[in-house]
Amino acid sequence: DIQMTQSPSSLSASVGDRVTITCRASQSVTSYLNWYQQKPGKAPKLLIYAAFSLQSGVPSRFSGGGSGIDFTLTISSLQPEDFATYYCQQSYTSPITFGQGTRLEIK
Amino acid sequence: QITLKESGPTLVKPTQTLTLTCTFSGFSLSTGGVGVGWIRQPPGKALEWLALIYWDDDKHYSPSLKSRLTITKDTSKNQVVLTMTNMDPVDTATYYCAHRPGNLPVAGNPDVFDIWGQGTMVTVSS
Repeated sequence: DIQMTQSPSSLSASVGDRVTITCRASQSVTSYLNWYQQKPGKAPKLLIYAAFSLQSGVPSRFSGGGSGIDFTLTISSLQPEDFATYYCQQSYTSPITFGQGTRLEIK
Repeated sequence: QITLKESGPTLVKPTQTLTLTCTFSGFSLSTGGVGVGWIRQPPGKALEWLALIYWDDDKHYSPSLKSRLTITKDTSKNQVVLTMTNMDPVDTATYYCAHRPGNLPVAGNPDVFDIWGQGTMVTVSS
């Protein structure tokens, strides 16, 4: 199985900050990397697919980057509604695997 | 508009079999490229993928749970059913079903879950 490791596991930031979350795969997943946002008690929401493609309806302050092993999710200017947990997911090969999550909290 | 909703028991006893149904609307599971997946999340923990069924009835399972899982589809009813045998307290989790689109504008038609159900909490306890 491909292991997905996110860093940091938690992060405190302020509204307006630029934030970057990293996801590292245990082997290359080329560009088969997706990002989700999950708020407490809610289902995950797709933000980014195929490493950098923005899902329809997602604000442009979210962006994805990387390929191969190392990927990033960047929020250019944090808004109050962005405080949530973020997960990466690889779909390069079965089994599909998720990262352990990055909790983004208000400073 | 695509929607999915999970249904099933909220409480099961250890060793029992769990049957969950995902009832969806807004898409057809006979459309090329489309799939429905199951993902679970124990309280306070990360997401774990369980299974995925495709429009052509191809099925993929988590290797660690494969012996306990069965995923089936009923295209006429717009339903996908997941069964998990020999339930244990460690299987306590929120179980989600999710839509896999077949028409993303990227190469390779990746396994992405773009629409999720609200989830159903299943507790395993005697």
